[in-house]
Amino acid sequence: GAVVSQHPSRVICKSGTSVKIECRSLDFQATTMFWYRQFPKQSLMLMATSNEGSKATYEQGVEKDKFLINHASLTLSTLTVTSAHPEDSSFYICSAQDTGVGTEAFFGQGTRLTVV
Amino acid sequence: RKEVEQDPGPFNVPEGATVAFNCTYSNSASQSFFWYRQDCRKEPKLLMSVYSSGNEDGRFTAQLNRASQYISLLIRDSKLSDSATYLCVASSGYALNFGKGTSLLVTP
Repeated sequence: GAVVSQHPSRVICKSGTSVKIECRSLDFQATTMFWYRQFPKQSLMLMATSNEGSKATYEQGVEKDKFLINHASLTLSTLTVTSAHPEDSSFYICSAQDTGVGTEAFFGQGTRLTVV
Repeated sequence: RKEVEQDPGPFNVPEGATVAFNCTYSNSASQSFFWYRQDCRKEPKLLMSVYSSGNEDGRFTAQLNRASQYISLLIRDSKLSDSATYLCVASSGYALNFGKGTSLLVTP
């Protein structure tokens, strides 16, 4: 099946620094990728939809200047958490679908971010 | 109100038991439905899609009731390895809307 690779799997950073998370579709092209965040014992919450070659679409309540998304190619989307704070500590997961609506979404392995 | 609601559990069942999970969705425009399984600190993985006619995959049966906007998952003959969180998912387009997940613990 299609594979989505996410890197890094775990990162610890100091408050105020920025962290970049990469999401790659390894054997298919993804014009659209999704970024989710999951707090402990909570559901995955969609943060933004990453569109290749255009601006990302952010969900209500998600600060676009804090969570920078770049989708420069059909196989790579990046999420940069800028000026990270301890409350940004969470599990961030990307996903992509090989073809259209109703098909299986493949998830990256997730990135556990801890801001100290 | 969340778009997808499920009983968080936990459901503690003995090996071999049958267990059922339920889920409701609020967006009537939803057109695709799934059950995902998520193990602790791992990414979700597709368990099965859910079709209006109902579908079965081995010990797992999923059903969809569009009129009631209700989705279910039945697990028969539970195994220890079934212990995980089961996420109900509805989608009206590309993005997936996840329920909070139902935690299942199968005990010996």
